[in-house]
Amino acid sequence: DAMVIQNPRYQVTQFGKPVTLSCSQTLNHNVMYWYQQKSSQAPKLLFHYYDKDFNNEADTPDNFQSRRPNTSFCFLDIRSPGLGDAAMYLCATSRIQGAPQETQYFGPGTRLLVL
Amino acid sequence: LAKTTQPISMDSYEGQEVNITCSHNNIATNDYITWYQQFPSQGPRFIIQGYKTKVTNEVASLFIPADRKSSTLSLPRVSLSDTAVYYCLVGDDYKLSFGAGTTVTVRA
Repeated sequence: DAMVIQNPRYQVTQFGKPVTLSCSQTLNHNVMYWYQQKSSQAPKLLFHYYDKDFNNEADTPDNFQSRRPNTSFCFLDIRSPGLGDAAMYLCATSRIQGAPQETQYFGPGTRLLVL
Repeated sequence: LAKTTQPISMDSYEGQEVNITCSHNNIATNDYITWYQQFPSQGPRFIIQGYKTKVTNEVASLFIPADRKSSTLSLPRVSLSDTAVYYCLVGDDYKLSFGAGTTVTVRA
């Protein structure tokens, strides 16, 4: 089945130690998104890629970076994780940008714990 | 993006119909109304989308009055597995702006 895959499902890192979360998709969608969801809060969009074009949200901290080496894969890099970065990180995809009807397909998320 | 207001939580019992109303008083002409469902420790999942009147699929129905200032998601005959957070989103582009959502708890 076509899907959005996130690895690992759980990630533990140390304060200040860089960490990378990965997302892959078999849907061949051209838009990929990263969301941060803290406990009991709604998902918050960090940034997205439309093909190779990176689009950052205005309030996304510089500590968060992303890479998309090809259509299928997208990575979230946290350069110096702080305790406040502990959260569920959700990857999502959609077919095209700019169409309100397009559904976003979410992965299961990676829960990040910062010690 | 239009701001949405939904109840924080709702309780129901198995077999009942659950109706969640979302207010979006400043909805724009081009905005669509979309609902997502999120189970604990999972990513959100698209449920239904509409622009006006009524939309029905195998999971839910969406009722939108003529003025479009509110919408109601209807879940028929809920089961325990429908316990989740339900998000109402309003917008006219690809970005999703999630509000607080409604936590629906279904009891036996």
